[in-house]
Amino acid sequence: SQQGEEDPQALSIQEGENATMNCSYKTSINNLQWYRQNSGRGLVHLILIRSNEREKHSGRLRVTLDTSKKSSSLLITASRAADTASYFCATDVISGNTPLVFGKGTRLSVIA
Amino acid sequence: EPEVTQTPSHQVTQMGQEVILRCVPISNHLYFYWYRQILGQKVEFLVSFYNNEISEKSEIFDDQFSVERPDGSNFTLKIRSTKLEDSAMYFCASGYGGNEQYFGPGTRLTVT
Repeated sequence: SQQGEEDPQALSIQEGENATMNCSYKTSINNLQWYRQNSGRGLVHLILIRSNEREKHSGRLRVTLDTSKKSSSLLITASRAADTASYFCATDVISGNTPLVFGKGTRLSVIA
Repeated sequence: EPEVTQTPSHQVTQMGQEVILRCVPISNHLYFYWYRQILGQKVEFLVSFYNNEISEKSEIFDDQFSVERPDGSNFTLKIRSTKLEDSAMYFCASGYGGNEQYFGPGTRLTVT
């Protein structure tokens, strides 16, 4: 089945460092999205990248998509303690009303 | 900034009881979703809703589950006879059809 699978499962870095998380999926997609979840809280939409895009930026976030390798990466630059959270990629296959398929997530800890 | 809201934030119920989880999607959105996340596991799709009817549902969404949009603002998920394994965070999401889905803070359901 189509799935997003993130790696690493857990990542611990110092404040100010960059954090890179990766996501792989199995089937062709329409879009790939990244979400953040603070412990026990809701999912916050970070960024959407379409299948015909290769890179997208939003503030300190940079997302890349390689459809030939069926993979995406999320880079957070100059990390802050407030970036500590779990990060999930989610994929969908068609436009409009389509469910998202989530990966297991990467738990990021940013140490001050 | 508009956001999806959910009530209650935490619901404790006894096995076999009915529960209704409530959501107020973002007002100009047309697509509505329920997802759930069992503690420590992936976020899983339950059901999507568009034009006053279910458009897609997962295997999890069996006869014990139902959804309703009783008025122009609320979107509810009902579980008729709760089981222990229904304990999870339930997330409502809404979207306008561009595939970005905006999630609420979740309702933590505990079945005892």
